[in-house]
Amino acid sequence: AQSVTQLDSQVPVFEEAPVELRCNYSSSVSVYLFWYVQYPNQGLQLLLKYLSGSTLVKGINGFEAEFNKSQTSFHLRKPSVHISDTAEYFCAVSGSGTYKYIFGTGTRLKVLA
Amino acid sequence: DVKVTQSSRYLVKRTGEKVFLECVQDMDHENMFWYRQDPGLGLRLIYFSYDVKMKEKGDIPEGYSVSREKKERFSLILESASTNQTSMYLCASSSIGRFDQPQHFGDGTRLSIL
Repeated sequence: AQSVTQLDSQVPVFEEAPVELRCNYSSSVSVYLFWYVQYPNQGLQLLLKYLSGSTLVKGINGFEAEFNKSQTSFHLRKPSVHISDTAEYFCAVSGSGTYKYIFGTGTRLKVLA
Repeated sequence: DVKVTQSSRYLVKRTGEKVFLECVQDMDHENMFWYRQDPGLGLRLIYFSYDVKMKEKGDIPEGYSVSREKKERFSLILESASTNQTSMYLCASSSIGRFDQPQHFGDGTRLSIL
C-alpha cells in the first residue's frame, strides 16, 4: 500500500526567507510524485511532478523538489518566498498498477511580512 | 484553457435532503474523481470513474453514490444528507491509464448540512 506523510501541518516563514516543506512516502511499486498548491477557496493546482530521470524537479513560481529514493522523500523548496506563496501545499503519490492518487494531509505555509 | 467546473461554490442543505454535486470537464479525460477535503485529513477519495457508467469505490464511499452518464460529467449524490457530510468537495479528472499524469481540479464546493 502507498502512503504519504507531511509532518508539518503549519510552517510560518518570513518574506524573502527560504522554505522547505517535507514529504515522505512509502510504496512497494514505482512511484510518481506530485506537489500541488491550494489557495484559499480554490481547487488544487499542480506545482511540479517527478516521473523519472533527474531527481531535481523544477516547477512553477520558483519552487523545486528533490526526489530521494533512499530516504523515500520528496521535499519542496523555494529559496525566497513571497507573501503570495501563502497557501496550503499537498504532496501526492501515484504508482504503476494503481488508479489511486494518495494525498498527504497538507502543510499550511504562512509567509509573514 | 483546460477546465474542471463544479456547479456550485457554496451550498447549504438540510439534514435528510438528497443532494447533487455536479462536475464537468472539457479535457476529454476518461478518469474522474470525487474527493472530500477536511482540515487535518487532506483529500480522501470518495468515488472514482474510469469510463461512462463505470465506477469504483474509494476510501470513504458510505453515504454517497455517483453517476456518470456522459464522459464529461460526473455527479456526486448524497442520498440522505447528514451533518457529518459538511465538508469541501473537490472534483478532479485525469487521462486514462496515465497515473504519471497529474489530476486537474475544480474549485470545489463547500457544502454545509444544517
